[in-house]
Amino acid sequence: EVKLVESGGGLVQPGGSLRLSCAASGFTVSSNYMSWVRQAPGKGLEWVSIIYSGGNTYYADSVKGRLTISRDNSKNTLYLQMNNLRGEDTAVYYCAGGSAYYYFAMDVWGQGTTVTVSS
Amino acid sequence: EIVLTQSPGTLSLSPGERPTLSCRASQSVNSSYLAWYQQKPGQAPRLLIYGASSRATGIPDRFSGSGSGTDFTLTISRLEPEDFAVYYCQHYGTSPKYTFGQGTKLEIK
Repeated sequence: EVKLVESGGGLVQPGGSLRLSCAASGFTVSSNYMSWVRQAPGKGLEWVSIIYSGGNTYYADSVKGRLTISRDNSKNTLYLQMNNLRGEDTAVYYCAGGSAYYYFAMDVWGQGTTVTVSS
Repeated sequence: EIVLTQSPGTLSLSPGERPTLSCRASQSVNSSYLAWYQQKPGQAPRLLIYGASSRATGIPDRFSGSGSGTDFTLTISRLEPEDFAVYYCQHYGTSPKYTFGQGTKLEIK
């Protein structure tokens, strides 16, 4: 069974930091493209970042310079390092991925982890 | 930057009806990179359609996608009770890498 499990969310003050993790099973993080997608309360989906199998990374303009995507191939885990957090970063964060078979659509999703940025 | 506009914002229908959801791109896009997702309250999105018209694994054949250029459509041939949810279209491109539409909420009439 393919499974992605996020962790690391929580309450953090503005300007603070948090690291999200996404542990994969039945699915190889390093062989596929992996993204973080977030959803603010009551809002739609917003793509945050992607890491390709080759290691290239890209970010939405709204998070560039503050959030960093990475992976640990030995642990089959994806990460999102979040620095200098703002209130507008409050959201459920999903990790998602897929293979080139799906033309870069995201066919595997985690259950999400909630990040709340508030003083 | 490509903007995806979904319509209608909310669709109120009864089980058994045939909804058509629209996704319009601000400029012509490669249909290979157009996808549709379903999201139910408290759940992660689920991939329904990729490449504009191909069903993802395990997706019932009552879901179908079509379109090209700037206009794309998701059709559900006959609504089942479990189909009431929010639907998003998504495009994979260059910058930003992914763009989502704002969503269409399909609610029970």
